[in-house]
Amino acid sequence: GAGVSQTPSNKVTEKGKYVELRCDPISGHTALYWYRQSLGQGPEFLIYFQGTGAADDSGLPNDRFFAVRPEGSVSTLKIQRTERGDSAVYLCASSYSSSTEAFFGQGTRLTVV
Amino acid sequence: AQSVTQLGSHVSVSEGALVLLRCNYSSSVPPYLFWYVQYPNQGLQLLLKYTSAATLVKGINGFEAEFKKSETSFHLTKPSAHMSDAAEYFCAVSVGYGGSQGNLIFGKGTKLSVKP
Repeated sequence: GAGVSQTPSNKVTEKGKYVELRCDPISGHTALYWYRQSLGQGPEFLIYFQGTGAADDSGLPNDRFFAVRPEGSVSTLKIQRTERGDSAVYLCASSYSSSTEAFFGQGTRLTVV
Repeated sequence: AQSVTQLGSHVSVSEGALVLLRCNYSSSVPPYLFWYVQYPNQGLQLLLKYTSAATLVKGINGFEAEFKKSETSFHLTKPSAHMSDAAEYFCAVSVGYGGSQGNLIFGKGTKLSVKP
């Protein structure tokens, strides 16, 4: 079946602009995770959804970052007033439940110029 | 708080040689530990995981890892490297006891090169 799908695969934006990154999880997966992977680093946890609600948003770096999952399926990561330091690959993962294996998408490469 | 340290950002082996990628963890609770592989321009793929059952864990593609509590280690090994093993490998620990398998703390990664 289809895996985790992230769109766009690449996004270039100007400093100060607003961006939205989309994640389509595997059908039926109730848990959804966002990570950020900077160059030369491992993925860094941002936020975890169980259903529609954010179960843990402790990894969001500041209030410019926000994520939603209104119907418990597709999720959108929103970044306001982008900064050059936001440039990274943003990864999404989903799992059937929080206690089962998470499957990762290929990521969205965000470049802020 | 949980953390992982991967020793060696780059490891190079010859085809057919032993692969050993090192990972040490720190955890205040019994950890769940994972190894992921990332091929160029692809997403992370789970190789294997330790969730407090057998200490020797076998994964895909001939990889295995041994959980050693006394050494706080979870090193990844493969007896004979293939060219197709060239990739970046990440060790990760779950947050919290029995924690979510998706809420993970990752190491910085080890890039494996395989020479013909």
